[in-house]
Amino acid sequence: DAGVIQSPRHEVTEMGQEVTLRCKPISGHDYLFWYRQTMMRGLELLIYFNNNVPIDDSGMPEDRFSAKMPNASFSTLKIQPSEPRDSAVYFCASNSQGAGQPQHFGDGTRLSIL
Amino acid sequence: RKEVEQDPGPFNVPEGATVAFNCTYSNSASQSFFWYRQDCRKEPKLLMSVYSSGNEDGRFTAQLNRASQYISLLIRDSKLSDSATYLCVVMYNTDKLIFGTGTRLQVFP
Repeated sequence: DAGVIQSPRHEVTEMGQEVTLRCKPISGHDYLFWYRQTMMRGLELLIYFNNNVPIDDSGMPEDRFSAKMPNASFSTLKIQPSEPRDSAVYFCASNSQGAGQPQHFGDGTRLSIL
Repeated sequence: RKEVEQDPGPFNVPEGATVAFNCTYSNSASQSFFWYRQDCRKEPKLLMSVYSSGNEDGRFTAQLNRASQYISLLIRDSKLSDSATYLCVVMYNTDKLIFGTGTRLQVFP
C-alpha cells in the first residue's frame, strides 16, 4: 500500500520566492497534519485538517504560511515570500480518527532558503 | 517552559545494556501518550502507546506517572538497530499531538 507521499523531497530556493509543498495522504484517512521540524524547536504541528476542513491552524507561524486541502487526496503548504528561517524539514502525516491513532508520516521535504 | 521536555542526550550505551528515558509534560489535562522513533533523516514512526497501567512490547516498557506528569521508556538488551531518536508525544486536545524534541540513543558494539 502506498504511504503518505510528499513532494518535492528537497527544495533549495532563494529568499523571497514562493515555495509550495505537496502531500498525498493515505487513501481513506480523514485527518491530515502538517509539521515542521528543526534542530532547535523539534517537531511542531503547523495545521491539521479533518475531512478537508482546516481544524486548527494555530501553529502556522505567520501570514506568509498558508495551507489548503482541496480534496481528500491532496494538500499543499505554501510559503510566500520565503525567508531563510523557514529552512526546515516539513512533514505531512495522515491517519483515521484523529491524533490518538498512529500517524503515518511522509518522507518529508527538506527545504533550504538561501 | 516547553510543553513536553526531554533530555536530548545522546545516550551512548553498549549492546545488551538497559537504558531508560524520561519525559515530562506540563499540561495536566493531557489525555494520551506515545513514544515515536525517528531514524536519522527519516520520518517519525510510532513505537508504542503509553497506558496508565504501564505496558510492554518485547524489549520495550513504557510507564506513565500522571501525578508527577512524566513518561518513561525502558529498553532492555539494547541492539545496534535501536540507535535512533526517541520522541515523547502527548495529546491533550483532541486530535493534536505535542512532540518533545527527542532523546538520541547510540548503541555501540
